Order: sequence, then structure tokens, then C-alpha cells
Amino acid sequence: DSGVTQTPKHLITATGQRVTLRCSPRSGDLSVYWYQQSLDQGLQFLIQYYNGEERAKGNILERFSAQQFPDLHSELNLSSLELGDSALYFCASSPQGRTEAFFGQGTRLTVV
Amino acid sequence: EDQVTQSPEALRLQEGESSSLNCSYTVSGLRGLFWYRQDPGKGPEFLFTLYSAGEEKEKERLKATLTKKESFLHITAPKPEDSATYLCAVQAIDNAGNMLTFGGGTRLMVKP
Repeated sequence: DSGVTQTPKHLITATGQRVTLRCSPRSGDLSVYWYQQSLDQGLQFLIQYYNGEERAKGNILERFSAQQFPDLHSELNLSSLELGDSALYFCASSPQGRTEAFFGQGTRLTVV
Repeated sequence: EDQVTQSPEALRLQEGESSSLNCSYTVSGLRGLFWYRQDPGKGPEFLFTLYSAGEEKEKERLKATLTKKESFLHITAPKPEDSATYLCAVQAIDNAGNMLTFGGGTRLMVKP
């Protein structure tokens, strides 16, 4: 158990809908990252937050957005969902001053 | 652009048959190279961080090494429970944050 908690574990929704994925980082970790893992693309970095502020952005679609709250939990919002958005979405956190990231168990999103 | 290539894509070993997994990378300046283990449907589990050429790290039957262009994950006398996908990732010095660029992974299957 990495200490990173993600909910829900599974999500099935229809095209065009909007969903919110939630992540609680390890106790004390200020950085939160979101990654997407699909069969054809592998693990792709989406976005990073550090202590409530956006720190880095990767290949995140405009339909996707994220935020980190004062209690350090983070949410990833996915809107106008398409079939191609079906994937595993992972949250990770890292301790201050350290480079390694610890991943949660992921949310499997299926868009039908 | 940072790139990570892992080979082979899949590897079948008999229990006790040692082997190595390769990770080739190109990055403007390496902050760290990371190895993760991922079981099906689970989040990546952190194994090692390597920072400079010549560095080696060991954990049970696994040993990771680093050169200026590649890293190897050596598996000595593997057991069936070592079956998993092994992911390599790099973190560049010029990253605004600590994002990881992942390779496609090597799927290891160890037969009893």
C-alpha cells in the first residue's frame, strides 16, 4: 500500500458526460501528479500540483482540468467524455525534496 | 523531447533463469532514472532511483544499474511472484516540476 488513495476504483459512464476522480496523497506529501494509462499510449503525464498551485502540465486535453485543495487532496475533472478517454487514471504523490513518486491504485474509467 | 525505450516488450523465463531488462533513454539532462513494478490493474510500485552513471541499487533479486545512455534491471534467479510489468522512467533536470516520462514497459512472465 503506497498510502495514496484514489476513488472511485471503477467508473462507467456515457459519452458526453462529466466525471470527477479524487485523490488523497500520502500524509505530508505536497506534490500531486495525475497520469493516464491506456493500452496504446502507455503512462502519460497529465498535470502536477504543488501545495495547491499548478506546477507542470503535460499532454492534458482542454476538456480535462484538475485542482488541489487546501487539505492537499486533488480532483481530476473530465468532461465531454469520448470513447478514447477510457483508460486507467493514476494519481501519485511525492515527499518534499524527494524525486520519486508513489502511485495510487488508479481509477478505471470506461466510456460507453 | 525526452524519450524512453524499453526492451524486450515481453520476456518469458523459467524459474531460476536470470536475465536483464533494458531501458534506453534520451534526455536533455538527467535528474533521475526510476524503475517501477506494475501488476495487472494496479498502480506502479516504486523500486529504485538512480541518479548518476555507475550507480547501482539492489533489492532482493533485483539489481538496477545506470550508464549515460541506458539502464539495466538484472533479475537473478527469478520466482513466479516476480511476474509483472517493469517500467522505466526518467526525470529531466529542466522540468518545471518532477514529471516522469515512462517507457512502454517490459512484461515479465516467470514460469515455475
